[in-house]
Amino acid sequence: GAVVSQHPSRVICKSGTSVKIECRSLDFQATTMFWYRQFPKKSLMLMATSNEGSKATYEQGVEKDKFLINHASLTLSTLTVTSAHPEDSSFYICSLAGKRGSYEQYFGPGTRLTVT
Amino acid sequence: QQQVKQSPQSLIVQKGGISIINCAYENTAFDYFPWYQQFPGKGPALLIAIRPDVSEKKEGRFTISFNKSAKQFSLHIMDSQPGDSATYFCAASMKNSGYALNFGKGTSLLVTP
Repeated sequence: GAVVSQHPSRVICKSGTSVKIECRSLDFQATTMFWYRQFPKKSLMLMATSNEGSKATYEQGVEKDKFLINHASLTLSTLTVTSAHPEDSSFYICSLAGKRGSYEQYFGPGTRLTVT
Repeated sequence: QQQVKQSPQSLIVQKGGISIINCAYENTAFDYFPWYQQFPGKGPALLIAIRPDVSEKKEGRFTISFNKSAKQFSLHIMDSQPGDSATYFCAASMKNSGYALNFGKGTSLLVTP
């Protein structure tokens, strides 16, 4: 499988501030990365699909101006939560697919965001 | 709208027993069905996956059974161990939607010593 890292693993921020979460592929080039959020004891919900060099595709109900996604290289995608509010507190997890057309997705360790 | 329905929500199995988790889907365009294992505070880890052209796949103690006509698939964990205690998610994806995963709601498995 692929090795995926996320940074930071935990972050606490004040309401109204912005937070950037990085997702890195450590051992191969990821053409597609996905961002999910997971509330406590709930399932993973897809937020957006990020393809290298193009704009992210957001799922219905996910505000693209609030959750900014940048996939600038084949090994790095970032998610910026802008003007965070307490309801944005969640576990954010990225995943990546390897070869173009690959079904397999490998997940990062997740980032716990707490907005106070 | 939950595209993949998973049951049971929670499961308690004795050590050495068989854990069985079931999932059902409606969209016949799905063509990839993985199972993920997640420990608290960690990201999901891919356990095993199946494509619809086979009815069963086994990897170690983990087996996926797939019934295309019934649109159901299940995970069997043989000889369950306390270390298997985790949350398990089934999922489904298809090429037409960029391989994005649609997850079930998860099953919390507890294996008692």
